[in-house]
Amino acid sequence: AQSVSQHNHHVILSEAASLELGCNYSYGGTVNLFWYVQYPGQHLQLLLKYFSGDPLVKGIKGFEAEFIKSKFSFNLRKPSVQWSDTAEYFCAVSKGGGNKLTFGTGTQLKVEL
Amino acid sequence: DADVTQTPRNRITKTGKRIMLECSQTKGHDRMYWYRQDPGLGLRLIYYSFDVKDINKGEISDGYSVSRQAQAKFSLSLESAIPNQTALYFCATSDPGLAGLTVSYNEQFFGPGTRLTVL
Repeated sequence: AQSVSQHNHHVILSEAASLELGCNYSYGGTVNLFWYVQYPGQHLQLLLKYFSGDPLVKGIKGFEAEFIKSKFSFNLRKPSVQWSDTAEYFCAVSKGGGNKLTFGTGTQLKVEL
Repeated sequence: DADVTQTPRNRITKTGKRIMLECSQTKGHDRMYWYRQDPGLGLRLIYYSFDVKDINKGEISDGYSVSRQAQAKFSLSLESAIPNQTALYFCATSDPGLAGLTVSYNEQFFGPGTRLTVL
């Protein structure tokens, strides 16, 4: 079975710091990759997704992620975080052509003023 | 109006009670899912349905059952609730789309969640 690993469980940053959250998956075939964000008390929202093409994907709110196939990774980045980015971030993977998502355990990001 | 709605939003119940959580969607999607979220464990799939006549178990289906009453409705039941079923439950929908389209293929849309506490 495929699995998704998010190595950072809790991250604390100051405003304007750069962010990188790691995500690695175990499935060796074609994959679709997602990052979701969950703001406090809210439901999951899609930040960005990768299906094919350019491995550098840009999402909403200045987030981007890079798919590195050789490393089975899809790390999330943002050059300068804001206090409003405080949330939990989930990486998710589905097999290409399939529709079940496997989620990582999430990373709690706290941005301090 | 929200595209994916869940009722109730919060529920406290006692061990042994039967509980039903409901999910409705106006997105016209064929595929619906139930997940539970636990701190430190992320989201885990309970059941999913690719159309009204198709129901499939996810990775943690024991103790749960589902009903797909219509394309737009997918209910999750706990036949006899136990305390370790205390969690945040999310419903999601997706449209399989067509290969080559960039919109919605495999993307899931989530409801607001139901916080269930079993005492």
